[in-house]
Amino acid sequence: NAGVTQTPKFQVLKTGQSMTLQCAQDMNHNSMYWYRQDPGMGLRLIYYSASEGTTDKGEVPNGYNVSRLNKREFSLRLESAAPSQTSVYFCASSVRVGGIANYEQYFGPGTRLTVT
Amino acid sequence: DQQVKQNSPSLSVQEGRISILNCDYTNSMFDYFLWYKKYPAEGPTFLISISSIKDKNEDGRFTVFLNKSAKHLSLHIVPSQPGDSAVYFCAASRLIQGAQKLVFGQGTRLTINP
Repeated sequence: NAGVTQTPKFQVLKTGQSMTLQCAQDMNHNSMYWYRQDPGMGLRLIYYSASEGTTDKGEVPNGYNVSRLNKREFSLRLESAAPSQTSVYFCASSVRVGGIANYEQYFGPGTRLTVT
Repeated sequence: DQQVKQNSPSLSVQEGRISILNCDYTNSMFDYFLWYKKYPAEGPTFLISISSIKDKNEDGRFTVFLNKSAKHLSLHIVPSQPGDSAVYFCAASRLIQGAQKLVFGQGTRLTINP
């Protein structure tokens, strides 16, 4: 049971290049999320998918697109990378653990992206 | 507009003593409040949570207190151990169409000194 896996672990891009960050979970969770973490800041939600076939914007969606390929996989795409997108990106999935609103999110190890 | 704030970037505590981490929020619509622990080069891991209708939740050495009137929560770790050294994030949760939307604070780096 690998939990949440992310690839790649590290990536360096030049401004204007594109790339896709991959995320997969093997816990049969319905909801998945993409966050970014910048120095001195908490994690900020980029996009989320409440269930297979749906995606919605979070706090900081500009410059990103997502695809919920199936229940397991949720990818994040940068179409034209900018230096402001240099960050650590975390994928997560969630499951209800009891009570109406009591959920627990499980995070992947992160992708460290540098845009020069 | 920062909805969740952790005003102490760092905290240093002697091993065996109590560590108290604080967090303030502004939005009274949050359902749950959570604490996550993060080691370098790893993703955050869930530590403990509390429903907005409760004022205390305890799990072993970890206790979270919620003061709704002050919009303040705190995490108490007692006794503190060297393995507790990490960055701690508080987060506030709203459930939107089956997805848990989390808003994180900036984090507090806790160092436990032997």
